[in-house]
Order: sequence, then C-alpha cells, then structure tokens
Amino acid sequence: EVQLVETGGGLVQPGRSLKLSCVASGFTFSSYWMYWIRQAPGKGLEWVSSINTDGGSTYYPDSVKGRFTISRDNAENTVYLQMNSLRSEDTATYYCAKDVGNFMYTTGVMDAWGQGASVTVSS
Amino acid sequence: DIVLTQSPALAVSLGQRATISCKTNQNVDYYGNSYMHWYQQKPGQQPKLLIYLASNLASGIPARFSGRGSGTDFTLTIDPVEADDTATYYCQQSRNLPNTFGAGTKLELK
Repeated sequence: EVQLVETGGGLVQPGRSLKLSCVASGFTFSSYWMYWIRQAPGKGLEWVSSINTDGGSTYYPDSVKGRFTISRDNAENTVYLQMNSLRSEDTATYYCAKDVGNFMYTTGVMDAWGQGASVTVSS
Repeated sequence: DIVLTQSPALAVSLGQRATISCKTNQNVDYYGNSYMHWYQQKPGQQPKLLIYLASNLASGIPARFSGRGSGTDFTLTIDPVEADDTATYYCQQSRNLPNTFGAGTKLELK
C-alpha cells in the first residue's frame, strides 16, 4: 500500500524558515516524480513544487520561486520542502504527492497524497 | 498561466446524474492526450485522484465516475450519484507549468 506521511509543520513567524518532510513507502520511490501542493484554509489547491526522479530537476510557481526548495533523498525515501522567508500567505496545509507513472518525464498526475502538514505563518 | 473555470456548486438528487464542467483558457491537448485530471476532496481529507488524462479511471475508482472532453472543455460525470459522493471536485491541468487547479465544485445532495 502506498503511503506518504508529511511532518514538520507548525507555527512560524513571518520571515522565518521551516522544513517539511514526506516519507514514502509502498512503491519504488526513486522511480517517481514527486510534488508538493498546498491548500490555504477554506481555499482551493495550489501546486508548489515538482522534483524529478534523481532530484536534478525542480520546478516552482512564481509565488514561491526563490524562497522554497524541493529536494529528495532516494536512500531515505523522503522528499523535502525547505521554506524560507515565509509570509502570512504561505499559511496552508501542505501535501506531498507522487506521480501516477514511473517515467523519466512528469505527467503531472498526482495519484497518491499524504494527509498533509499544517503550516501557520503568524507573529 | 492556464486558468481553469468551474461552477462553484451543484445540487443533485440521489441516484441522478451529476455533470461537473471545467473550462480552460488555453488548449491542454498535446500529442493525442488531454492533460486534464479530476480529484475528489472530502472535508478534512486529502484529495483523491478520480480521472486522469481526461477520461482514464484511476485505480480503485468506481465506474460511476467518468470523464470526457478535449481542448478547452471537459466534464466529470457521476452516474448514479450516491450519498458518499458529497465532496468538492477539482480539475487540474498539467499541459503547461505551472500546474493549475480549478477553484473546485462543491457537490451537494438535494
């Protein structure tokens, strides 16, 4: 059974940093693109980041580019999201997700999601 | 960025058909595939993949769910609707970065 478990959320002051982790099990982690997606309270879904199978290619929307960094450790079956210079608008539940296919390219289809980690940015 | 437009809410009777639409401001087709996907999210839960590449049923999803469309117009159909289907449904495109989602359609029972 595929499982994704996010940890590392919490309350943080504006301008500070936080690092989320997502531990994967039940599939060959190193063969799949991975994603972070967030959802502000009462709002819709926003894609935050993508990373390819070996970690050599990463992608971000403009809203987090330069502040967030995705990385992965295939030996530990873990994907990370380092969040710097946090803002109040970054307050959200952060989900990690896996790609539906074990391809070298991304399909952008997210077929398994973790339960989410809550991040609150407030003074 | 590709913008996805969904109606905010839909009310349907048990056993009837629900049709949820998603329109994009750019074509999301590429080399014979439509990069449009559908997710279901219930309150307090993570999203669940229902349909990918416009019409492919995700693993473990009942055949009551179906998707169709191409180009800029897509629909998710639930037939027949069951009580457990009350949720918010999101469309998502992965034709271009940034991946974008619709604002969601909340399905309620009459």
